Amino acid sequence: DAGVIQSPRHEVTEMGQEVTLRCKPISGHNSLFWYRQTMMRGLELLIYFNNNVPIDDSGMPEDRFSAKMPNASFSTLKIQPSEPRDSAVYFCASNSQGDNSPLHFGNGTRLTVT
Amino acid sequence: GQQVMQIPQYQHVQEGEDFTTYCNSSTTLSNIQWYKQRPGGHPVFLIQLVKSGEVKKQKRLTFQFGEAKKNSSLHITATQTTDVGTYFCAGLRGKLIFGQGTELSVKP
Repeated sequence: DAGVIQSPRHEVTEMGQEVTLRCKPISGHNSLFWYRQTMMRGLELLIYFNNNVPIDDSGMPEDRFSAKMPNASFSTLKIQPSEPRDSAVYFCASNSQGDNSPLHFGNGTRLTVT
Repeated sequence: GQQVMQIPQYQHVQEGEDFTTYCNSSTTLSNIQWYKQRPGGHPVFLIQLVKSGEVKKQKRLTFQFGEAKKNSSLHITATQTTDVGTYFCAGLRGKLIFGQGTELSVKP
């Protein structure tokens, strides 16, 4: 079991640039979650998918953020244009059987927007 | 909105002392999960509590779920330096909502 795989591990970009974060969930898991972690706001759920379909995107900060899951083994979180306040660690997590089973987190992407 | 409050935010203990973190929700939860995040790492699942009044133990860790299913606690007996990290509760009510976490530091 390779676990949830996220890339890149670190991303440094300039304000205004587009950023794409990638996630490969654990094979067989049918739910995928994107979280953002900052000191001020803790772990925030941005969006989650069940069977590749977005179920709840109420945590997505604004239109600059978008997420896709084109198939069961891949998801992206895109920020366009990026701003310094987007600097955070972004975690992807997956589980099976919906909300009742434990989340398996990836190692995260540390994003710095200058 | 739905909130899961966790206290304290930080706890500094001497190795060998006990540690407790508390989690409270304003609404009844379907279940509660606990996670541990080591410095620089990612949250790792520890345990899930489902039943009212449930108590579970993992070695020196004791987890409780309140009778009303609105609160939970994690107690560590005789802390060790390997216990260092941030402990999160996460309550399920429709979706999983994480508390702010309690950061534990242990002085050897």
